[in-house]
Amino acid sequence: EAQVTQNPRYLITVTGKKLTVTCSQNMNHEYMSWYRQDPGLGLRQIYYSMNVEVTDKGDVPEGYKVSRKEKRNFPLILESPSPNQTSLYFCASSLWGRGNEQFFGPGTRLTVL
Amino acid sequence: KQEVTQIPAALSVPEGENLVLNCSFTDSAIYNLQWFRQDPGKGLTSLLLIQSSQREQTSGRLNASLDKSSGRSTLYIAASQPGDSATYLCAVRPVSGGSNYKLTFGKGTLLTVNP
Repeated sequence: EAQVTQNPRYLITVTGKKLTVTCSQNMNHEYMSWYRQDPGLGLRQIYYSMNVEVTDKGDVPEGYKVSRKEKRNFPLILESPSPNQTSLYFCASSLWGRGNEQFFGPGTRLTVL
Repeated sequence: KQEVTQIPAALSVPEGENLVLNCSFTDSAIYNLQWFRQDPGKGLTSLLLIQSSQREQTSGRLNASLDKSSGRSTLYIAASQPGDSATYLCAVRPVSGGSNYKLTFGKGTLLTVNP
């Protein structure tokens, strides 16, 4: 089944404890992206990647890192999480090409205490 | 800067009604528009994708239209059911994004279909 998977789905952590949220897709998509969703603010892009080893900042990159060492994986790294990073996070992917549909993962609900 | 607005923010209807959700965007230079469904605290399920050159797309009881020049899209749901209750989001892919395929989302319409 074609899909985008994220792990973990739920995470409660404390301020300053490094964490990684994994994202993997099995559709051979070149493009991958991370969003966060917050009440009243909607979905905002954090980082994106056009292909292996090619990443760039989105609208709200502060406090996050990403890497793209393999085409299928695009992990989101929080080196020192803070409470304002409590949010619902989504990974998305699509084929290269402007008209292509984007597919979203199931989301990761992160709480930073 | 592209902005996407969805009206109404919330809608409650009795089961069986046909309904229309609205989406407007400020910059007509888009590649496509997607409608998503989101159940509470869950992921985004893609419902329909309309390319900028298309006028509408249909899937089952759903029909989405696009009027790019006026910056509007509608999602029509026929014979609504309680299982249709969810938040519906529209998102556009602006041409100005270049190689970033970032979607600009509206804040959604929360639909409740009452039995």
